[in-house]
Amino acid sequence: GAVVSQHPSRVICKSGTSVKIECRSLDFQATTMFWYRQFPKQSLMLMATSNEGSKATYEQGVEKDKFLINHASLTLSTLTVTSAHPEDSSFYICSATQGESYNSPLHFGNGTRLTVT
Amino acid sequence: QKEVEQNSGPLSVPEGAIASLNCTYSDRVSQSFFWYRQYSGKSPELIMSIYSNGDKEDGRFTAQLNKASQYVSLLIRDSQPSDSATYLCAVNSWGNEKLTFGTGTRLTIIP
Repeated sequence: GAVVSQHPSRVICKSGTSVKIECRSLDFQATTMFWYRQFPKQSLMLMATSNEGSKATYEQGVEKDKFLINHASLTLSTLTVTSAHPEDSSFYICSATQGESYNSPLHFGNGTRLTVT
Repeated sequence: QKEVEQNSGPLSVPEGAIASLNCTYSDRVSQSFFWYRQYSGKSPELIMSIYSNGDKEDGRFTAQLNKASQYVSLLIRDSQPSDSATYLCAVNSWGNEKLTFGTGTRLTIIP
């Protein structure tokens, strides 16, 4: 159980375009989902916390107008990278918890590797 | 600022030996502790969770927690080359939505 599906796994886009990444909890309801970014050989960086039916909470330094997060249902959250630039190229990973956040582990999607040309 | 510290490594261990990975945390009220394994280019996967002081064993993996010393470790017995990865320690406390991750320890098992 506790499977998180993320799509697409890899995307290449041109500078200035927008890219949408989907994250689904397949066998549980996730009231909270988290979006991370990871650059090569660096640690996970939390971008935002997404709660179903409310606005996402962004970490300091993350542009909310550039990284649009929507959590419309208990099983789906989306991250849209708007007007992507080469410096947005990174590995984006979503995650979700199955129960109470503080004592439940995060279950990660397989990640999306974004390359902006 | 809640912190989780790990030695970045690389930690090299001969095949068949015990790999010992360590993690310290700063928040005394932390209650939930997790170990994740991340292969290069892949997303993290959960290996172990531990909530009480002492040892918790799952196959070749043993997690050890000492809340008094604010220390959690992961032992991997009979290390295999497939265990070569980065291991992330993560910590949380009651009422807190977000896990705090360490920067990870890169483990290499030498055949």
